[in-house]
Amino acid sequence: GEDVEQSLFLSVREGDSSVINCTYTDSSSTYLYWYKQEPGAGLQLLTYIFSNMDMKQDQRLTVLLNKKDKHLSLRIADTQTGDSAIYFCAEKDSSYKLIFGSGTRLLVRP
Amino acid sequence: SQTIHQWPATLVQPVGSPLSLECTVEGTSNPNLYWYRQAAGRGLQLLFYSVGIGQISSEVPQNLSASRPQDRQFILSSKKLLLSDSGFYLCAWRGLAGGPNEQFFGPGTRLTVL
Repeated sequence: GEDVEQSLFLSVREGDSSVINCTYTDSSSTYLYWYKQEPGAGLQLLTYIFSNMDMKQDQRLTVLLNKKDKHLSLRIADTQTGDSAIYFCAEKDSSYKLIFGSGTRLLVRP
Repeated sequence: SQTIHQWPATLVQPVGSPLSLECTVEGTSNPNLYWYRQAAGRGLQLLFYSVGIGQISSEVPQNLSASRPQDRQFILSSKKLLLSDSGFYLCAWRGLAGGPNEQFFGPGTRLTVL
């Protein structure tokens, strides 16, 4: 079945760039997503990318998609302490569901 | 604009007691609705989804059940809670078919079973 994998933890210094990586297995995925979860809150959609795109940029966020390697990344430029959260990668399966990774906890050090 | 509500925000229940969590969506019609559970420090586990009134698909066999009595209302229930039912329960709705189909999440309900 489909599977989405992420590293569990990333620590960066404030002002540096953060890169969160994700791998997925379903090559037929049409959309891939990044969500952010702050402590005690629901998931907030950050951005998504269509599978025929290689890159999508939205202000400080850059999403890179490598379909050949089934690899997705989220780059956050000029990382701030408010970016500390858990980031989830997800892919759309063939039905009504999204398949989520286990989440990457980003810690931004002052 | 669309909004999604969950009630209650937090709940502490004894083992063996019943459960009812409510999710309501405003500003859209005939949404797909989802219930997820997130255990402490873990990812999301899809429990149920619904594509219409009275239509429920179960992803994980367990002592929980779901119902959709109205178009924009989704309820998660249990007759007898287990310790392992503790977690953060998230409801979500899906955007329009044909688009990116992203899911939008509610604020969640923190359930502690003692």
